Amino acid sequence: DAGVTQSPTHLIKTRGQHVTLRCSPISGHKSVSWYQQVLGQGPQFIFQYYEKEERGRGNFPDRFSARQFPNYSSELNVNALLLGDSALYLCASSLTSGGIYEQYFGPGTRLTVT
Amino acid sequence: TQLLEQSPQFLSIQEGENLTVYCNSSSVFSSLQWYRQEPGEGPVLLVTVVTGGEVKKLKRLTFQFGDARKDSSLHITAAQPGDTGLYLCAGTPGGFKTIFGAGTRLFVKA
Repeated sequence: DAGVTQSPTHLIKTRGQHVTLRCSPISGHKSVSWYQQVLGQGPQFIFQYYEKEERGRGNFPDRFSARQFPNYSSELNVNALLLGDSALYLCASSLTSGGIYEQYFGPGTRLTVT
Repeated sequence: TQLLEQSPQFLSIQEGENLTVYCNSSSVFSSLQWYRQEPGEGPVLLVTVVTGGEVKKLKRLTFQFGDARKDSSLHITAAQPGDTGLYLCAGTPGGFKTIFGAGTRLFVKA
């Protein structure tokens, strides 16, 4: 079975632009979470979606938004990009949502904002 | 603010040595996960610990969950260069928000 896939692998954007990142979960997984990982730090939780509904949101500004589609794939959108948005964006899928659950990560999208 | 503190932040050892990495919090977790991450890749799940006092072994890796479910440790026996990477602990203290520690960067020299 294929693991979690993310696209694109790398992306370079200019300040003020908008970006869309995509994620396909493991087959059968209904939950998708998004994380931002800045160099030298652990991943920071951005969103969790389960069955197309937002279940949790981290401490990120409204410039960050996401959605989940009927096939459980997901998009993360970031508007008005800032230099500080440069990071590795990780998507993780899981069978369940919340409580005791195990997440499986994709390879990430490396976003560079210049 | 709920935090997971990992120590040490960085560890450089010789092949064959033993090491222990710690993950501590003031919060109680229903479970904790350990991941290993290599440069440019996503974290890979190693283990989930659920019960206070639980010990799980994965080949040369031993994971322990504290009795109070506030802390965990990862012990590696006879480390090998292939163990090099960033070791992350993570937990969901409640709701749907998962918290990660900052990680322990391990370098094993041949």
